[in-house]
Amino acid sequence: ILNVEQSPQSLHVQEGDSTNFTCSFPSSNFYALHWYRWETAKSPEALFVMTLNGDEKKKGRISATLNTKEGYSYLYIKGSQPEDSATYLCAFREGSQGNLIFGKGTKLSVKP
Amino acid sequence: NAGVTQTPKFQVLKTGQSMTLQCAQDMNHEYMSWYRQDPGMGLRLIHYSVGAGITDQGEVPNGYNVSRSTTEDFPLRLLSAAPSQTSVYFCASSPRQGSEAFFGQGTRLTVV
Repeated sequence: ILNVEQSPQSLHVQEGDSTNFTCSFPSSNFYALHWYRWETAKSPEALFVMTLNGDEKKKGRISATLNTKEGYSYLYIKGSQPEDSATYLCAFREGSQGNLIFGKGTKLSVKP
Repeated sequence: NAGVTQTPKFQVLKTGQSMTLQCAQDMNHEYMSWYRQDPGMGLRLIHYSVGAGITDQGEVPNGYNVSRSTTEDFPLRLLSAAPSQTSVYFCASSPRQGSEAFFGQGTRLTVV
């Protein structure tokens, strides 16, 4: 079974702080890496789908980078806001016929 | 714009009872899947389907059956519920296997 690791498990920051977290995945047979945001009492929603080594994606204050050779992706949030509080999931796809393998997530809490 | 619709949202079953969790999508997606979410675990794949008439097992298929008679619907059946099946279940659909997943609202199932 493929292992997708996310760190840290949880994070508490103050409003205005910038933060980042990590997703580690197998570096062999890479096809894609997904990031999802999962707010409490809602369902996960896709943030980014990244496929190329060196990819950088940005959506507002949130951005992500990808290193497929060493098997990691970083998610950055600039100037965190309370509405950014959520669990952030990454999911690894192995090969063109692979299913998504999810990490356990990083739970972010942003205090006003 | 319904997206992925799951019913019911909550369910309590007695050990040994059977039930079906319903999932429907209106986006004409080929790929549909069922996940379970347990504390301290990532989303784990139960079963998936790459198209009508085609289903396959995921990581944790035991105790569950699925069918895909139409593109739109992908029900999950618990044949004889066990306390170990207490979990939150998510249905998801994607245009293709491994592409961006669109999740339903989840079903919180308790087996007593």
